[in-house]
Amino acid sequence: GAVVSQHPSRVICKSGTSVKIECRSLDFQATTMFWYRQFPKQSLMLMATSNEGSKATYEQGVEKDKFLINHASLTLSTLTVTSAHPEDSSFYICSAREVGSYEQYFGPGTRLTVT
Amino acid sequence: GESVGLHLPTLSVQEGDNSIINCAYSNSASDYFIWYKQESGKGPQFIIDIRSNMDKRQGQRVTVLLNKTVKHLSLQIAATQPGDSAVYFCAEAGLGSGTYKYIFGTGTRLKVLA
Repeated sequence: GAVVSQHPSRVICKSGTSVKIECRSLDFQATTMFWYRQFPKQSLMLMATSNEGSKATYEQGVEKDKFLINHASLTLSTLTVTSAHPEDSSFYICSAREVGSYEQYFGPGTRLTVT
Repeated sequence: GESVGLHLPTLSVQEGDNSIINCAYSNSASDYFIWYKQESGKGPQFIIDIRSNMDKRQGQRVTVLLNKTVKHLSLQIAATQPGDSAVYFCAEAGLGSGTYKYIFGTGTRLKVLA
C-alpha cells in the first residue's frame, strides 16, 4: 500500500512555456501533499506544502506565481511550472501524507529539462 | 574511506563489511527521524525511522541510532551488498509553521566495492 505516482516521469519543454506535473496517491487519501526540488548531487529541498481544498504554503524563496500548486482532491496535486527557464531544470518529487499520519510517501520523481 | 565531493560526501566500503552513515540534524524540537535510500533517477525509498523517545531501532540489516544530546543520527548497514550502493539521506521532522514538515540532510553516497 501507500503508493504515490507522478506523471510524467520525464518532460522536456522549451523556454517560456509552462509544464504541469501530476502527483497522485493511488491507494490512500492524502490531505497534505508536498513538493520538493532536487538539483544534481544535492538534497531534496521542500518547495511547498499543499492541503486539499486550500492554498499552498510556499517555502521562503520559492515564487508562488511561478510554481502553481493545485490540490483539488484527496488523491491529486499538480505543480505547474510557468514560463519555464533552463534554471528550472531539475528533478521534482512529490510526497503525500495519509490522513491522521505524520509519514510521507514519496513519488518516483519527474525530470524536467527546459531547453 | 570517506571523502567530501563538491556537494555530496562519499563513503566507500568493501562488500560484506558494515557501513555507518552519519547525519547531524539541526532542530532540537524535531521528534521524528527517517532514513531514505535514493538510487539515480528515482524517488527516495524509505529504509527505517525512529521517534525521539527512542535511541535505537533495528530493522533487517539496518540499525538507526539517535543521540539527541548532540543531535546526531546514524544508519548502520550490516554486511553491505552491491545493491546498497546509492545516496542515503536522513530527514528530521517536526512541527514547523503548523505543518509536520520533513527537512532533508545533505546526503551521503555509499559505494560498495567488490
